[in-house]
Amino acid sequence: DADVTQTPRNRITKTGKRIMLECSQTKGHDRMYWYRQDPGLGLRLIYYSFDVKDINKGEISDGYSVSRQAQAKFSLSLESAIPNQTALYFCATSLGQGGSLGEQFFGPGTRLTVL
Amino acid sequence: AQSVTQPDIHITVSEGASLELRCNYSYGATPYLFWYVQSPGQGLQLLLKYFSGDTLVQGIKGFEAEFKRSQSSFNLRKPSVHWSDAAEYFCAVHYTSGTYKYIFGTGTRLKVLA
Repeated sequence: DADVTQTPRNRITKTGKRIMLECSQTKGHDRMYWYRQDPGLGLRLIYYSFDVKDINKGEISDGYSVSRQAQAKFSLSLESAIPNQTALYFCATSLGQGGSLGEQFFGPGTRLTVL
Repeated sequence: AQSVTQPDIHITVSEGASLELRCNYSYGATPYLFWYVQSPGQGLQLLLKYFSGDTLVQGIKGFEAEFKRSQSSFNLRKPSVHWSDAAEYFCAVHYTSGTYKYIFGTGTRLKVLA
């Protein structure tokens, strides 16, 4: 089945460490997204990419960076992790403009703990 | 600023009872509206979506939602809840004009009593 995968699924790291979360998709979608989920806050958009050369900041991009290595791959980096970046991170994909009315398809999530 | 509100953080219902989860959004031209469900340890899955046409939309797993423009609401309903419906439910709104906006509500956690 076409899918959205995330690696790692769980990660514990220390303050100040650099960490990369990876997302791959086999759906052939142009658009990819990174969200973080915190209890009581829902999902908040970190970065989004409409194609390989189009990357945009979301509402909470500070402290994060991304790389769109190919249509199918979108990585999220924390350059110097801090404890308040402890959260559940989701990658999502969607078709291009108007496609499927904007439905997003989510990966299983990465639980990140920063000590 | 545009926003999505789910006023109920937690809801508990008995199995077999009816369910309504509320969602209100701030005004925006031609919003696309979605309900997603998140089961424990999993990502989000689309239940249903609305853009135009019939204001009552049917989704998967027996869920439906009604769009009411006058109330800026898109409430999710199910006539008879099953124990497997216990999960967290998110309303989302995609505003299609101006800067890209895809906003999630804060979620409603549903507990189902046997």
